[in-house]
Amino acid sequence: GAVVSQHPSWVICKSGTSVKIECRSLDFQATTMFWYRQFPKQSLMLMATSNEGSKATYEQGVEKDKFLINHASLTLSTLTVTSAHPEDSSFYICSAQEPGLAGSDEQFFGPGTRLTVL
Amino acid sequence: GQNIDQPTEMTATEGAIVQINCTYQTSGFNGLFWYQQHAGEAPTFLSYNVLDGLEEKGRFSSFLSRSKGYSYLLLKELQMKDSASYLCAVRDGDYKLSFGAGTTVTVRA
Repeated sequence: GAVVSQHPSWVICKSGTSVKIECRSLDFQATTMFWYRQFPKQSLMLMATSNEGSKATYEQGVEKDKFLINHASLTLSTLTVTSAHPEDSSFYICSAQEPGLAGSDEQFFGPGTRLTVL
Repeated sequence: GQNIDQPTEMTATEGAIVQINCTYQTSGFNGLFWYQQHAGEAPTFLSYNVLDGLEEKGRFSSFLSRSKGYSYLLLKELQMKDSASYLCAVRDGDYKLSFGAGTTVTVRA
């Protein structure tokens, strides 16, 4: 199957700093990537949809100025958490969509990034 | 918004069968996915249904009834490594995935 990587795997930062998370599709081109957030013992919540070469589409309640998304190429999307606060501590997971047979358009998930804001 | 319901947790014995039910109400439907997620890791794809019926894949099978807004994931010959959270996800009319809260399956020896 297709492989999606994320970097870093985990990060600890001080309150008020910014953190950048990279998501790469390693063996396929992804015109669409998705960013999710998962709090402990909760399910994945879609934050935004990232399309190569255009602005990201944010879900209701997600601040676009706080969570900056850049999808500069067909294999890379970045999420920057600006002025991070302890409540932003979470597991951030990206996925990349590869057009599939029979329209499955399966999403392949990255390994996730654990962010802890002190 | 989307509404996807699945049981919070289930426990079964090694070698047994467990069925995880999922009901959904979404605006539009473009397929239902099941994912397995171990603690602290990203979800891994298990199955995809877009038409009614049963899809079998080794020890795992998934069923869909679109008219009832219902799916189940069947895990057969349970192994200890199957202990994980199982997520039901529905792709809506905008091709976005909405996830259920997940069902934690514990397999006991």
